[in-house]
Amino acid sequence: DVKVTQSSRYLVKRTGEKVFLECVQDMDHENMFWYRQDPGLGLRLIYFSYDVKMKEKGDIPEGYSVSREKKERFSLILESASTNQTSMYLCASSFGTSGSETQYFGPGTRLLVL
Amino acid sequence: AQKVTQAQTEISVVEKEDVTLDCVYETRDTTYYLFWYKQPPSGELVFLIRRNSFDEQNEISGRYSWNFQKSTSSFNFTITASQVVDSAVYFCALSVTGFQKLVFGTGTRLLVSP
Repeated sequence: DVKVTQSSRYLVKRTGEKVFLECVQDMDHENMFWYRQDPGLGLRLIYFSYDVKMKEKGDIPEGYSVSREKKERFSLILESASTNQTSMYLCASSFGTSGSETQYFGPGTRLLVL
Repeated sequence: AQKVTQAQTEISVVEKEDVTLDCVYETRDTTYYLFWYKQPPSGELVFLIRRNSFDEQNEISGRYSWNFQKSTSSFNFTITASQVVDSAVYFCALSVTGFQKLVFGTGTRLLVSP
């Protein structure tokens, strides 16, 4: 079974803090993704990576950066957290590049920025 | 550009009722892939089904069935004899060939009461 894990289920941070969200997958997938989920908006793609050290902006990259130093790990960084970044963050991974691949998701991190 | 619409925000049914979740998609690509995911209260998105654009056969898996109609750009999901454990948010998603990105609908929350 594919397993995608995220470092925290719940996080509470203060405005201006630097926040790291970690995601690890154990299936040797090339692709990894970070989404945020907000009520009424569904899932929106922040960043994705199709290889180590490679990254592509998604639909809402502003205020975020990412790092992928190893194939199994994809980190989402909030350089200076703001209250409008309070959200549910979901990591996913997939294998291959055809577009047909299923993405497998982690359990999510609920981030509250005060 | 791709778009997925799930017009039903929330549906409430009583156990054992049948329920259909609607999904309408937009794409100009001739090769594309459609997905359904389930998000129970725990938060993790669980993959349910993937269908490619060349396969219009309906699919049944236990109490779940999917009706794919290219003529109406719809990929609807029916749960027969619903159960309380079916309570979740259900997402429909779309990807196209050559792009690893998934475009999600806004989700439908299904509440099944005993």
